[in-house]
Amino acid sequence: GNSVTQMEGPVTLSEEAFLTINCTYTATGYPSLFWYVQYPGEGLQLLLKATKADDKGSNKGFEATYRKETTSFHLEKGSVQVSDSAVYFCALLPRNDMRFGAGTRLTVKP
Amino acid sequence: DAGITQSPRYKITETGRQVTLMCHQTWSHSYMFWYRQDLGHGLRLIYYSAAADITDKGEVPDGYVVSRSKTENFPLTLESATRSQTSVYFCASRQDSPLINYNEQFFGPGTRLTVL
Repeated sequence: GNSVTQMEGPVTLSEEAFLTINCTYTATGYPSLFWYVQYPGEGLQLLLKATKADDKGSNKGFEATYRKETTSFHLEKGSVQVSDSAVYFCALLPRNDMRFGAGTRLTVKP
Repeated sequence: DAGITQSPRYKITETGRQVTLMCHQTWSHSYMFWYRQDLGHGLRLIYYSAAADITDKGEVPDGYVVSRSKTENFPLTLESATRSQTSVYFCASRQDSPLINYNEQFFGPGTRLTVL
């Protein structure tokens, strides 16, 4: 079946630290891959996406590369800010319904 | 208001009562979805709809009923609420097009439901 596995949190970093949140997936075919972000009390917002192998999605300093050979879509940011504190969800879209990972809570301390 | 809205934003009910959560989108997106968010489980799909009058089960449909008589509305009903249905519920919509690889899914602000 189609599923997503994310690294468990919570993750706590100091401002300007490097961030990696691991995401691996299981899917048939060629799904699109996404990272969504959820700020406290809000719904999910699309952060970035990639629709085919070797695509790199990027937004607001965050990047993720669609690696078909390792079935991964790890989220990275070179220098996190306090405002990046949120819950991050990896997701895949195989056909109709999007499947989400369990989410990783990131806290960035000044 | 443009976008996707949910009502109510907060609801407290008792075991055994019927509850309906509303979802409305103004984009005429073809797809609409209901998810529940629980700690440790992320978002799990309850039901989705590809178009008006077309609905399908997701991962956790038991205890829920949906309908979609109009494209813009997708209500979710808990026919007889149970404590295990205490959760945050998110509605989402998406417009798929064969011409454009555009498949961003937009989420509502969520409804926090507590079943006592």
